[in-house]
Amino acid sequence: EAEVAQSPRYKITEKSQAVAFWCDPISGHATLYWYRQILGQGPELLVQFQDESVVDDSQLPKDRFSAERLKGVDSTLKIQPAELGDSAMYLCASSPTSGGGGELFFGEGSRLTVL
Amino acid sequence: DQQVKQNSPSLSVQEGRISILNCDYTNSMFDYFLWYKKYPAEGPTFLISISSIKDKNEDGRFTVFLNKSAKHLSLHIVPSQPGDSAVYFCAASGLVGALIFGKGTTLSVSS
Repeated sequence: EAEVAQSPRYKITEKSQAVAFWCDPISGHATLYWYRQILGQGPELLVQFQDESVVDDSQLPKDRFSAERLKGVDSTLKIQPAELGDSAMYLCASSPTSGGGGELFFGEGSRLTVL
Repeated sequence: DQQVKQNSPSLSVQEGRISILNCDYTNSMFDYFLWYKKYPAEGPTFLISISSIKDKNEDGRFTVFLNKSAKHLSLHIVPSQPGDSAVYFCAASGLVGALIFGKGTTLSVSS
């Protein structure tokens, strides 16, 4: 069964360092999402891509976060510099549709701990 | 301001009984509602959905009810099984756009 691949699964870094997460969506899924889930909270959207274009990045802290999906396939989310409050699970999801109640398929996530 | 609210952080149920998880929303423009299940150290997995033109959707042991006038939906699990123990997220979206999630409810099913 096709899955969304994410790496690394776990990352520990010191504050002010740079960190990057990678996501490979299910083949053929044009829509890709990055969500952040803080412990005890629900996933919150950071950025949504349709192919290689950003559809929604209104909640992305652009002073330190960046995301790209250059060829419309895999995607990278970067944080520089990392802050203590960035400790969270970063979830990537993909969908064959762009909203409209379509199911999102999530990866296993990348757990970030900032010391 | 939270648009999707799950006001019960946790729920404990005995095996074989019914589990009822509740969700409220504030945005009347939502068209679709979904429930996701999440085990520790895994990503959320889709469980069941309902569109705003329906008031009930059933899939095996899982049934979702939608009350648009009250802006309320609920997920019923009958009968509950120990393997159902997980965090359940309610999510909503419009015709386009990403899902907006609630904070989740942790369900514990004891045998």
